Amino acid sequence: EDQVTQSPEALRLQEGESSSLNCSYTVSGLRGLFWYRQDPGKGPEFLFTLYSAGEEKEKERLKATLTKKESFLHITAPKPEDSATYLCAVQGVMNRDDKIIFGKGTRLHILP
Amino acid sequence: DTEVTQTPKHLVMGMTNKKSLKCEQHMGHRAMYWYKQKAKKPPELMFVYSYEKLSINESVPSRFSPECPNSSLLNLHLHALQPEDSALYLCASSQGLAGNEQYFGPGTRLTVT
Repeated sequence: EDQVTQSPEALRLQEGESSSLNCSYTVSGLRGLFWYRQDPGKGPEFLFTLYSAGEEKEKERLKATLTKKESFLHITAPKPEDSATYLCAVQGVMNRDDKIIFGKGTRLHILP
Repeated sequence: DTEVTQTPKHLVMGMTNKKSLKCEQHMGHRAMYWYKQKAKKPPELMFVYSYEKLSINESVPSRFSPECPNSSLLNLHLHALQPEDSALYLCASSQGLAGNEQYFGPGTRLTVT
């Protein structure tokens, strides 16, 4: 069965303090790994799709990387506006009906 | 443009009421989704439509009834809901089902009294 585990559950950083969020996954053939940002009471905002090990994508202060077992979301010199819950999701080749499986998320709080 | 719109933003309904949630996208996406999200939990899939046909029903109670009138619109009809159905209801769309990112709407905050 496909599984996604995100760590840590919550993370508090000072403004400017770089860090990484982890998404470990077990899937029988990866079709895609997705990162989303979600602010309280709002819908998830799409950030990145990664398809194969070694792939990297960047957007402003965020960089997502992928290995065969995990993905990292690196946050460089974060600002308070980067505070949000970051969700990782995977879609496996053997997933029934191509469902995506979400992790429980990492709640990130950037202190000014 | 990667916008998915949802109406209403907030809805309060009694357990005997009938209401509908609406979702619209103009990205030409052929897959549309309904999710339910409780506080501090990830979105939970309810229904998937692919090319306007119901593809997945995740064993959702019949008090929730989805409808896809055309490729741009998705409705969720609600009746005889329970207080535990109170949640954020999210609509999403994607180009197709396989390997495509989903774009989410802002959600409808539903409260059942």
